[in-house]
Order: sequence, then C-alpha cells, then structure tokens
Amino acid sequence: DGGITQSPKYLFRKEGQNVTLSCEQNLNHDAMYWYRQDPGQGLRLIYYSQIVNDFQKGDIAEGYSVSREKKESFPLTVTSAQKNPTAFYLCASSIPTGTGKVGYTFGSGTRLTVV
Amino acid sequence: RKEVEQDPGPFNVPEGATVAFNCTYSNSASQSFFWYRQDCRKEPKLLMSVYSSGNEDGRFTAQLNRASQYISLLIRDSKLSDSATYLCVVTISGNTGKLIFGQGTTLQVKP
Repeated sequence: DGGITQSPKYLFRKEGQNVTLSCEQNLNHDAMYWYRQDPGQGLRLIYYSQIVNDFQKGDIAEGYSVSREKKESFPLTVTSAQKNPTAFYLCASSIPTGTGKVGYTFGSGTRLTVV
Repeated sequence: RKEVEQDPGPFNVPEGATVAFNCTYSNSASQSFFWYRQDCRKEPKLLMSVYSSGNEDGRFTAQLNRASQYISLLIRDSKLSDSATYLCVVTISGNTGKLIFGQGTTLQVKP
C-alpha cells in the first residue's frame, strides 16, 4: 500500500545536538511538506518542496534545514539553532497543485523531546 | 490576526446532541477549504472538503460563506467516537498547495 513513513516515532535530543527526522513516501507525489504542531495549536509550515532539488522556507524555517535529493525522501534536520524544538513534527505529501486539486497525505508524525 | 481562527473549546456535549463549529479566515484569496479531524497524538485526517454550495456526508454538514469569510461544520447525533480535535484548513490561491491550519476545536462527547 502507498503511504508516507516517518521515523522515528519518538525522538529524544540533548540540547545543542542536531537531529534528523526521516520522511519517505511511495505515492509518487511531487510536493512534500514539513509541519510542526505545539500543544493546543494548529500546524505551522516549516519547509516545503514542490520538486526534487528544490525547496522553500515556510513560516517558521529558522533553526531547521531540509534536502530533497530524491522524489521519495524529504528529511528534516532540527539544528541546535532551533531554541524550542520540543514538538510534534508531521510530514505530508500532495498531488501536483497544477491538477487543481489538493490531496494531502500525512505521515504518522515524530514526537521530538529535548532532554 | 491569525489567518484561520477557531474557538478552541473544549465543547462538551452529550451523546446524540447536535454541535456546530465555526471558523473564520482572513485572506480573501483563500481558495479551497477543508475540515480535518485529529485524534490525540495522531496525524490529522481529512474529514471533508467544503464547497460553496454546502455539502453533507452522513451526520456531517459543512457550509462556506465567502462573503463573511467563515466556514462551519455541523455534527448531528454525536457519537462518543466523534470526540477529537477538528481543524479548519484553507489554501490560498497561487500558494503552491500549502495548507493553513486553524488551531483546532476540541470536542468531547460524553455518555
């Protein structure tokens, strides 16, 4: 079955460390996204990519980095510059926006905690 | 002002009740509208799209008022399994498919 896989499900990081969250999809979607969710809040966009080897900053990109070397993969690195990284991170992919439709699929999320 | 605003609740209702949530959006270029459901510590899942003419899916009815820039979700005959957070979501015309989320409204259905 097609879908999005995020790993790990839970991640603990010491202050000052960089960590990378994995996101892989086999839906053949061109666009991929990373969102962050804090308790009692909606999702906020960190980075997005519409095509391989291209990505753009979202609303809260500071302290994060991404790469899109393959269509299937869009890893997110949370760097030590991110001052408050504890949150629930969600990866999503969507069908090409040129179709006039927005069909999103979300991964099951990674819960990152700084210890 | 937030781009998409919702009353966070929680809304506590008895089984069988009818409950309505509203959501307002600030960008008049908003193009597509959705309600997502999110269970505790899970990813959001699409509940339904919202069309200008209004649309119904079983016990759920969604309405869009473009003039007043608000969206509503009506749940009839609430079930215990409806307990969740409901997220109002919009996309902006020409905005590359990014979803803009409200903070969500929490519903608790009690026996």
